[in-house]
Formats: sequence, structure tokens, C-alpha cells
Amino acid sequence: KNEVEQSPQNLTAQEGEFITINCSYSVGISALHWLQQHPGGGIVSLFMLSSGKKKHGRLIATINIQEKHSSLHITASHPRDSAVYICAVGEGNQFYFGTGTSLTVIP
Amino acid sequence: KAGVTQTPRYLIKTRGQQVTLSCSPISGHRSVSWYQQTPGQGLQFLFEYFSETQRNKGNFPGRFSGRQFSNSRSEMNVSTLELGDSALYLCASAPLGGGYGYTFGSGTRLTVV
Repeated sequence: KNEVEQSPQNLTAQEGEFITINCSYSVGISALHWLQQHPGGGIVSLFMLSSGKKKHGRLIATINIQEKHSSLHITASHPRDSAVYICAVGEGNQFYFGTGTSLTVIP
Repeated sequence: KAGVTQTPRYLIKTRGQQVTLSCSPISGHRSVSWYQQTPGQGLQFLFEYFSETQRNKGNFPGRFSGRQFSNSRSEMNVSTLELGDSALYLCASAPLGGGYGYTFGSGTRLTVV
């Protein structure tokens, strides 16, 4: 069993749609990260959460520690949001990664 | 401030050779961790260094090793390269580690032929 499970694996949306990506984890947690990876490889850390909710522009991330679940929401999606989104759970000094959600936003 | 710098960006090596990858963390960051990303396995943790000491190690063979220098720069070495070592190798730095404040580099894409 994977320590971090993400869903869906693939997601195609029309521009302007509201998008939700889910992450469930089974390990203890010091922090949860949502990462964005564009074609070409570079990874950008979008959010680091240990509780509650964070918002940055059109992106919102929430975490429920009791349920061991986090969601990443994208409002008013845009083609430039097309990327792979990865949930990463930090336990101590080690990270566990989800397999990623590949998002394609169609104009 | 400058981000995490990984060099080289791309590398092609022959099976059996060895390779050294470099990671320069953000100034002031003392934790550097390394990850391997392959299409089949996704992202996997290799090891983490803090103040020149390896604090944690993932499930990789001994051919994968690393070290950290007094200026927090880190190197990762892979000996006796295998075709399956072809991957994107990412490093991330953090002030103290422990899951907080990680910044990722752009990665080194290694191709073993």
C-alpha cells in the first residue's frame, strides 16, 4: 500500500472549470506539500500545510489532519495550469510522494 | 534570493560508468535531500543530509551515495550505472528539514545508454 494516494490520476477540464485534486495519506505528518511539475521537469512547491487552509491566487489547499486528507482546488482553471500536481507528505526528515495527477486544461 | 541550483541539467552516461551530481541549496539552508523520479516509480526519496551528516536514507542500493560539504552544498554519486538509473534527479533544500520549508531544484536529467 502506498503511503500517499492521489486521485484522480488524470484530469481533463475545460478552461474556467473548478478543479479538485485529492490526497490521502497513512503516515504521520509534519507537513504536507502540494507540488507542481511542468513538462521539462522543474518542480515548484505550491503550498506547505500542517493544518487548515491556504490560498494563493486561484489555488486553494486544505488539509484535515484527523481524516489524513488534503485537497488542492483550482478556481477558474486556465490552460497554463496544465501540469502534474504531486502531493508530498513529510514525516520527520523523509518525504513520501503521491503518483501525481496529470491535469490538462483545454481552451 | 537565488534558488536551489542543480548541475548539470542534462547528462548522458554509459552503463558501468559513475556519475556525480551537484546541488547548491538556498543560502542559509542546512538540509539537502535527494529524490529520483522515474516514469514507473514516480518520485522516491534517496537521502537527506543536514550539517554534513546523512540523517535519513531511502531504499536504494549502495551504488547511490551522497555527501554534504561545510557550505551545505551536496553531491550525489551513482557508481556502476545501470540503464534503470535513467531518471530525473531532484534535490530540495530546507532551513532545518523535518518536512518544513522545502524548495526544489530544477533537477538533473540523467540518461544511461
